[in-house]
Amino acid sequence: GENVEQHPSTLSVQEGDSAVIKCTYSDSASNYFPWYKQELGKGPQLIIDIRSNVGEKKDQRIAVTLNKTAKHFSLHITETQPEDSAVYFCAASSYSSASKIIFGSGTRLSIRP
Amino acid sequence: DGGITQSPKYLFRKEGQNVTLSCEQNLNHDAMYWYRQDPGQGLRLIYYSQIVNDFQKGDIAEGYSVSREKKESFPLTVTSAQKNPTAFYLCASSKQYTGELFFGEGSRLTVL
Repeated sequence: GENVEQHPSTLSVQEGDSAVIKCTYSDSASNYFPWYKQELGKGPQLIIDIRSNVGEKKDQRIAVTLNKTAKHFSLHITETQPEDSAVYFCAASSYSSASKIIFGSGTRLSIRP
Repeated sequence: DGGITQSPKYLFRKEGQNVTLSCEQNLNHDAMYWYRQDPGQGLRLIYYSQIVNDFQKGDIAEGYSVSREKKESFPLTVTSAQKNPTAFYLCASSKQYTGELFFGEGSRLTVL
């Protein structure tokens, strides 16, 4: 079946350094790639998303890149801060239907002071 | 404030008992979803509903049931037929025909 692979499963970076999380997807029909952040004991929250008609999108310290040919997309967090510590999920779907969304297995990001 | 409210936040159940998790939204979203989250795994879709009085099975519907009698409400029943019910359950909603999900804060079910 369709799936989304996410790496690494855990990531520890020094405060102020950058963090990169990578995902690959299998369904070539996917055209919407959201990233969710889940803090401890809470539900995931959308932090950034990208559609297949663009290769990169940036929002302050976070950015997402997409390579449709290789079916890769990545989340980049610069100047990491303690509040960035959380579990991050990538996902892939058709933009018109959230019921078809496939989630990656998550990355636990820890920011070292 | 608009959002999704799940209750209870924590629930303990004895084996063989059914339990119902509540999910209410005031975002005026047409679509609602239930996901199950296990440690180290992504979110897996249990059931979803695109419109009132209609719902569809997701990837892991066995042992679960839902109803959608009102636009605002989408309760999930974990039945005794669910073999491994201990998990974190997340409810979400979305506007019709969009991919962005809005999640509740989750309900943690533990079967004793």
